[in-house]
Amino acid sequence: GIQVEQSPPDLILQEGANSTLRCNFSDSVNNLQWFHQNPWGQLINLFYIPSGTKQNGRLSATTVATERYSLLYISSSQTTDSGVYFCAVIRDNAGNMLTFGGGTRLMVKP
Amino acid sequence: ETGVTQSPTHLIKTRGQQVTLRCSSQSGHNTVSWYQQALGQGPQFIFQYYREEENGRGNFPPRFSGLQFPNYSSELNVNALELDDSALYLCASSLDRGTYNEQFFGPGTRLTVL
Repeated sequence: GIQVEQSPPDLILQEGANSTLRCNFSDSVNNLQWFHQNPWGQLINLFYIPSGTKQNGRLSATTVATERYSLLYISSSQTTDSGVYFCAVIRDNAGNMLTFGGGTRLMVKP
Repeated sequence: ETGVTQSPTHLIKTRGQQVTLRCSSQSGHNTVSWYQQALGQGPQFIFQYYREEENGRGNFPPRFSGLQFPNYSSELNVNALELDDSALYLCASSLDRGTYNEQFFGPGTRLTVL
């Protein structure tokens, strides 16, 4: 099956700092989603971005499908950004199951 | 617009018992997927239901089974519970079954098997 690797696995930031999270995948995809999992376990949709660039407030994401990676940018981080960020993909012609990476655990300190 | 809801929020069972978890899909969505998330890991796909039929299954044994109802709500049933079944169970709904559809997750049910 498809492999999804996220880096870094852990990240500690001071409030106000910027960060870049990376997701590499091993095969062509036609669905890629970024999620934020809060401390209570809720997965919150950030972006649906199989290709291209999107922005939503302090967050933006870019997927370069031909090179099999996606980046999530967090600017001016806040303590409420803490949690785990997951990238998940569906491989081309492989049905409908999302395959998740291992996540990036982010802690933003005040 | 009502989001995805799940019940119960927490559940404690003993080894060998059976459990049923419930999920209501987001308004207008006809497809429900179930995922298992062990502590410290990413979610793993269990199966998907589309219009009351199973529409794909991950690498889980037959004691994991499901149902989808005419209103598109869904149940996940696990028989003969094992200690390793302790996990967060997440339900996701999407507008349709195609791979291009964005999936939206519920708050999860945390199952503990003793």
